[in-house]
Amino acid sequence: SQTIHQWPATLVQPVGSPLSLECTVEGTSNPNLYWYRQAAGRGLQLLFYSVGIGQISSEVPQNLSASRPQDRQFILSSKKLLLSDSGFYLCACRLAGGADTQYFGPGTRLTVL
Amino acid sequence: KQEVTQIPAALSVPEGENLVLNCSFTDSAIYNLQWFRQDPGKGLTSLLLIQSSQREQTSGRLNASLDKSSGRSTLYIAASQPGDSATYLCAVGRFSGAGSYQLTFGKGTKLSVIP
Repeated sequence: SQTIHQWPATLVQPVGSPLSLECTVEGTSNPNLYWYRQAAGRGLQLLFYSVGIGQISSEVPQNLSASRPQDRQFILSSKKLLLSDSGFYLCACRLAGGADTQYFGPGTRLTVL
Repeated sequence: KQEVTQIPAALSVPEGENLVLNCSFTDSAIYNLQWFRQDPGKGLTSLLLIQSSQREQTSGRLNASLDKSSGRSTLYIAASQPGDSATYLCAVGRFSGAGSYQLTFGKGTKLSVIP
């Protein structure tokens, strides 16, 4: 069965600093991968999804970007963080050829000060 | 644009009580609907998945129903326990134009079961 790893688990960064969050998936190949953000008082917001290496689709315009350098690696980045980037970031995957559901990682809590 | 609403936002019940959580969605053209559980500071755990052609799904003390035409789903929890305390999220699934499966989430219902 698949396992999703995210790191770091928590992160405190100053405004204007860069960001790199990493997600890796074990136990499956060619998954669809997703980045979500969960902010206080708001639901989960889909930020990016990827159907394959180097293929990224953005759902919400913002100062964040995503990359998929390897089949089971998904990275969320920013060159300059804003206060509004604070939140709980979740990586999810959908198995290739599997049931139409998504499996979620443990999340990264980002606080921008 | 699909919008998912969950009512109530928070619910507190005594242990042993049966309860219902509500979810509504604006676009009935869904592929499926899922209920997730989220514990504080944790990721999401899938509880029940209902395909658009189905009316309900059951797992243990949980029963989820789907009325696609009216845009509604309910999650019924029987004989609630303190361990059921968590936030419950409803999500509707669809395929995007690019063929990617996507979920749209409600904001959740925070459930507290009092011993």
